[in-house]
Amino acid sequence: DAGITQSPRHKVTETGTPVTLRCHQTENHRYMYWYRQDPGHGLRLIHYSYGVKDTDKGEVSDGYSVSRSKTEDFLLTLESATSSQTSVYFCAISGSGLARRDEQFFGPGTRLTVL
Amino acid sequence: AQKITQTQPGMFVQEKEAVTLDCTYDTSDPSYGLFWYKQPSSGEMIFLIYQGSYDQQNATEGRYSLNFQKARKSANLVISASQLGDSAMYFCAMREGPRGGADGLTFGKGTHLIIQP
Repeated sequence: DAGITQSPRHKVTETGTPVTLRCHQTENHRYMYWYRQDPGHGLRLIHYSYGVKDTDKGEVSDGYSVSRSKTEDFLLTLESATSSQTSVYFCAISGSGLARRDEQFFGPGTRLTVL
Repeated sequence: AQKITQTQPGMFVQEKEAVTLDCTYDTSDPSYGLFWYKQPSSGEMIFLIYQGSYDQQNATEGRYSLNFQKARKSANLVISASQLGDSAMYFCAMREGPRGGADGLTFGKGTHLIIQP
């Protein structure tokens, strides 16, 4: 199993408050991703990182920002949480250089509720 | 237009039968990868199988195989001899661009598979 942890695993917050979710990997994978999962939508890409301090937007990036100051950590920030950001958030990693199948490995997910 | 289409929202299958989960995709990129993930009720995303667009043979991983029909842009997952533990959501996904790139995955909406004893 890929060493990916997410914190917190569950969070309830109020509209308008800032929230930061953390993804930590011990696999030294180059690429990291944040997805959200909502009923009826599958998983959708929010932001991704292709190296330290190198990030780019995904399909649903509005209202989110990210930072990656070191290989192991990828942070997702909701500057001012809204109820539409209630979701399950997954972090993923890829790009070991050894993978022949190019797969992404997923963290356990963070369930965020914005009241 | 959707890039990944899974037309079966839910399926019921008898234990020990083979299962085919449908997935069609849409891309103009000649280089891409197709993935299947399993999500049990516990919520984790489990990688099952991968097919590259230039791979000559259909991918197989144990009881899982991918029926890749490039001209039809389909990548159906076949599970042989289904087991009760196969009950889960199954997602088809695609990454466009060459292998080893940073691009994220585009997911379908999933198929909820229930295996009945």
